[in-house]
Amino acid sequence: GESVGLHLPTLSVQEGDNSIINCAYSNSASDYFIWYKQESGKGPQFIIDIRSNMDKRQGQRVTVLLNKTVKHLSLQIAATQPGDSAVYFCAENNEETSGSRLTFGEGTQLTVNP
Amino acid sequence: GAVVSQHPSRVICKSGTSVKIECRSLDFQATTMFWYRQFPKQSLMLMATSNEGSKATYEQGVEKDKFLINHASLTLSTLTVTSAHPEDSSFYICSATKYSTGTQETQYFGPGTRLLVL
Repeated sequence: GESVGLHLPTLSVQEGDNSIINCAYSNSASDYFIWYKQESGKGPQFIIDIRSNMDKRQGQRVTVLLNKTVKHLSLQIAATQPGDSAVYFCAENNEETSGSRLTFGEGTQLTVNP
Repeated sequence: GAVVSQHPSRVICKSGTSVKIECRSLDFQATTMFWYRQFPKQSLMLMATSNEGSKATYEQGVEKDKFLINHASLTLSTLTVTSAHPEDSSFYICSATKYSTGTQETQYFGPGTRLLVL
């Protein structure tokens, strides 16, 4: 669903550790999910996506897991680096009912400590 | 590639004036463009969906007469904030969808425009 919160959840990790960022989505009819990274003062940057007929997808240093039963999405970042510090948003979509419209989650601020 | 640009990147204006923000897809033709607004420490909120040659579709609660959208071509959409007031100060971000045969349309985002209304 859309976020109306006044602050972002935060996650702080040490450089080199793995990070797991979670997202609970609201629409059980959503069939396409995307993770975006947003650095301060910039637009969101596409990281990885997954369709509802999959439960796992891997990219370079990132893995997305989808659990449709509990409507949960996670982003795993391996060997987190200082350059990974940013806000991470999940977004959901149902192309049949909403076209290309995305609904963004509230976001998580990831801070990587050197 | 799929690059989306916005202009200007930052604008300061006086209350009551109008501000135009441009969104361009530089290396692809966009089937649809979207306009979002983002307040500090918050998520992106969709304002409107823009299709070339047709009227924009606005989200509930977004005033179409205040936020004028023109989608002149497959590579350009503009958002005009009319009679801007301090509460319109925000980060405005556009996105453009790039259609690939057989795959989901992917939204590519512009770098955003920071609007400050004094």
